[in-house]
Amino acid sequence: DGGITQSPKYLFRKEGQNVTLSCEQNLNHDAMYWYRQDPGQGLRLIYYSQIVNDFQKGDIAEGYSVSREKKESFPLTVTSAQKNPTAFYLCASSMARGAFFGQGTRLTVV
Amino acid sequence: RKEVEQDPGPFNVPEGATVAFNCTYSNSASQSFFWYRQDCRKEPKLLMSVYSSGNEDGRFTAQLNRASQYISLLIRDSKLSDSATYLCVVNPYNFNKFYFGSGTKLNVKP
Repeated sequence: DGGITQSPKYLFRKEGQNVTLSCEQNLNHDAMYWYRQDPGQGLRLIYYSQIVNDFQKGDIAEGYSVSREKKESFPLTVTSAQKNPTAFYLCASSMARGAFFGQGTRLTVV
Repeated sequence: RKEVEQDPGPFNVPEGATVAFNCTYSNSASQSFFWYRQDCRKEPKLLMSVYSSGNEDGRFTAQLNRASQYISLLIRDSKLSDSATYLCVVNPYNFNKFYFGSGTKLNVKP
């Protein structure tokens, strides 16, 4: 089945550590995105990529980094510079019919 | 000004009721519009695209008003299973940046 896979589903991080969230898609979509959602809030765009080896900052990119070495993969690293990283992270890919999401990763800083 | 604005609700309605949500967008050049549904602690899922002429999918009807820059979602004969948060999504220029509203919460009660 085609889709977007995010892993892990739950992630716990100690303060000061970097962590990487995985996102893989087999939908052959060119564009991919990372969003952050805080409780009771909407989605905020962190980074997006239109094509391999190219990506752009979204509205809240500080403290995050991404790479796009393959069309299928768009990992997100949450660095120690991100002051409030506890959130629900959603990866998406898109075509003309809209954006499609993975199941998300819940990151908690302990 | 936010790209997309929605009334957060909640809208509390009885089963069988008709309920409508509006969503306003700020960029008059916006090209594509969508409604998504998000269940608690889950990823958003595409409910329907919104076409210029309006479109219907079963009990759901979406409308676009370009002059007033808003889109609407009408749900007829509400079911308990319709309880969720409904997100309005706008693509301002192309398919590389989707803006999400913060969502409208719907509670359908017996």
